[in-house]
Amino acid sequence: QKEVEQNSGPLSVPEGAIASLNCTYSDRGSQSFFWYRQYSGKSPELIMFIYSNGDKEDGRFTAQLNKASQYVSLLIRDSQPSDSATYLCAVKEDSNYQLIWGAGTKLIIKP
Amino acid sequence: GAGVSQSPSNKVTEKGKDVELRCDPISGHTALYWYRQSLGQGLEFLIYFQGNSAPDKSGLPSDRFSAERTGGSVSTLTIQRTQQEDSAVYLCASRRGVSYNEQFFGPGTRLTVL
Repeated sequence: QKEVEQNSGPLSVPEGAIASLNCTYSDRGSQSFFWYRQYSGKSPELIMFIYSNGDKEDGRFTAQLNKASQYVSLLIRDSQPSDSATYLCAVKEDSNYQLIWGAGTKLIIKP
Repeated sequence: GAGVSQSPSNKVTEKGKDVELRCDPISGHTALYWYRQSLGQGLEFLIYFQGNSAPDKSGLPSDRFSAERTGGSVSTLTIQRTQQEDSAVYLCASRRGVSYNEQFFGPGTRLTVL
């Protein structure tokens, strides 16, 4: 069974620091990797996606992918209280329309 | 433009009753997903519609669950003879098409079965 694993947290990070969120996946055929943010009581929204090994930066967010280790991470620089949310990792095979979702990591940014 | 909408936002029902949940995807989006999210859990895939193709129903947990998508737009998820374990948030998401990856989510319907 294809699985995506995340530490449920909560992960507590002081304001202004770097928050590091990690995700591992079991299916070596996975090709696309997504990070969604979900505020409490709200629906998920896409933050970033990454396809290639290495880093992808977008503003304060950096996604890192290591296919050999089956590992994807999300770094949030200069963390803000508004970044407090649950971060969901999802992976997809190119030939498949389904996303396999992790259970999410709850991130708390402390002022 | 309008995003994905779902109704009702909250539904409380008694065990054994049937419920219908509605999803209006973003106009022009050909792909539509239904998910279930229990408290503190990730998203559980239920069903997928793409254009006029036969839906992928592989995630439906039992034959009490069914879904339709009329005219390639609005979708209805029906749960018959509801059970307490059906209590969850039901999320609908739409995607522009097969060449696009981003799923846009609706606000969800919180279902409580007493």
